[in-house]
Amino acid sequence: DIQMTQSPSSLSASLGDRVSITCRASQGINYHLAWFQHKPGKAPKSLIYAASSLQTGVPLRFSGNGSGTEFTLSISSLQADDFATYFCQQYNSYPITFGGGTKVEF
Amino acid sequence: EVQLVESGGGLVQPGGSVRLSCAASGFTFSKFWMSWLRQAPGKGLEWVGNISPEGNGIYYLESLKGRFTISRDNAHNSVHLQMHSLKVEDTAVYFCARVKATTTMNDWWGQGTVVTVSS
Repeated sequence: DIQMTQSPSSLSASLGDRVSITCRASQGINYHLAWFQHKPGKAPKSLIYAASSLQTGVPLRFSGNGSGTEFTLSISSLQADDFATYFCQQYNSYPITFGGGTKVEF
Repeated sequence: EVQLVESGGGLVQPGGSVRLSCAASGFTFSKFWMSWLRQAPGKGLEWVGNISPEGNGIYYLESLKGRFTISRDNAHNSVHLQMHSLKVEDTAVYFCARVKATTTMNDWWGQGTVVTVSS
């Protein structure tokens, strides 16, 4: 199985900050990496797929890059609505696996 | 808009069974793979399995094979997760999610239903 190591597990940030979150895969997954935002009690929201493609309707302050084994989610200017938990998903091969999550806190 | 609504969760005794359902709307359900995923308290997300549009192709997390069964009813736009021989460690929020076309990533998720396995 492919292990996804996400860091940091939490971070403190302020409005307007640039934030970056990293996911490392235990083996190459090409660009088959997705990022999600999750708030308590809500449905996880897809932000990015194929490592860098923005889902429809996702603000441009979100971006993703990477390929192979190292990937990054960036938020260029943190907004109030962005305080949430973020997690990555590799879908290169079964079983599909996830990073442990990053909680972005004020 | 795509909507996925899970139901069927609750308190179950160890060794018991439960059947979760997910009602889908806002898209042509019969054309999409669907997934079940779960998140145990304080833990990360775990993929449970995927089912093909026709229901004849199903992939499971190896450790759950034999206890969990995914099925779908395209006539009623629903997907189901039957769970048997439940263990305390199966306690989790269970999500259904749509699989994005031409990929295996999940582009739309439900809010989840809670299954608690406890005596």
